[in-house]
Amino acid sequence: QITLKESGPTLVKPTETLTLTCTFSGFSLSTSEVGVTWIRQPPGKAPEWLALIYGNDYKRYSAFLKSRLIITKDTSKNQVVLTMTNMDPVDTGTYYCAHDSRNYKGFEYWGQGTLVLVSS
Amino acid sequence: QSVLTQPPSASGTPGQRVTISCSGSSSNIGTKYVYWYQQLPGTAPKLLIYRDDQWPSGVPGRFSGSKSGTSASLSISGLRSEDEADYYCAAWDSSLSGVVFGGGTKLTVL
Repeated sequence: QITLKESGPTLVKPTETLTLTCTFSGFSLSTSEVGVTWIRQPPGKAPEWLALIYGNDYKRYSAFLKSRLIITKDTSKNQVVLTMTNMDPVDTGTYYCAHDSRNYKGFEYWGQGTLVLVSS
Repeated sequence: QSVLTQPPSASGTPGQRVTISCSGSSSNIGTKYVYWYQQLPGTAPKLLIYRDDQWPSGVPGRFSGSKSGTSASLSISGLRSEDEADYYCAAWDSSLSGVVFGGGTKLTVL
């Protein structure tokens, strides 16, 4: 059974750096076929893809946020960490991590999401 | 402004068939697989359709996906009250080298 759970601060101040952790179980991030992706969703708006990482350390970032994002993995801990710098109130929203794979089956497994509020 | 374009709203009565469209370009829908997600209030999106027209296990066959050129559609037959939700299309975009989502369609069951 695949499960994922996001964790991190609920409130960050403008200009601060956000660090979110996705802790997962039911799969291993040790092959090039399996990955974890991050997606965020501002209140009342559509989801926005942020970044992905595969087990072979292949990474991709949103073209719109690339300069502010870093994604890393800790295979031994079954964790993926997303760092987003220079936070702004427009970054407020729910941040999700999801299981990804190279078999084009989409994001079938999602975490419950974590709400991040950016405010002074 | 989303890369994929969806109508903001759709509606139907119980038992009806409803279709939601998703328009893109040659860098996404035209050459890549389309995915559809359903989101109920306060929950994470749920995968409904993958690879244009395939069902994950557990998704009823009332939901179906199709694609033609740079547009895709999600059809829901035998509409039920529990289908009232937000629906999003998504695809990989080769120009952006990332996943793009539609702006979402809010489905109301009258």
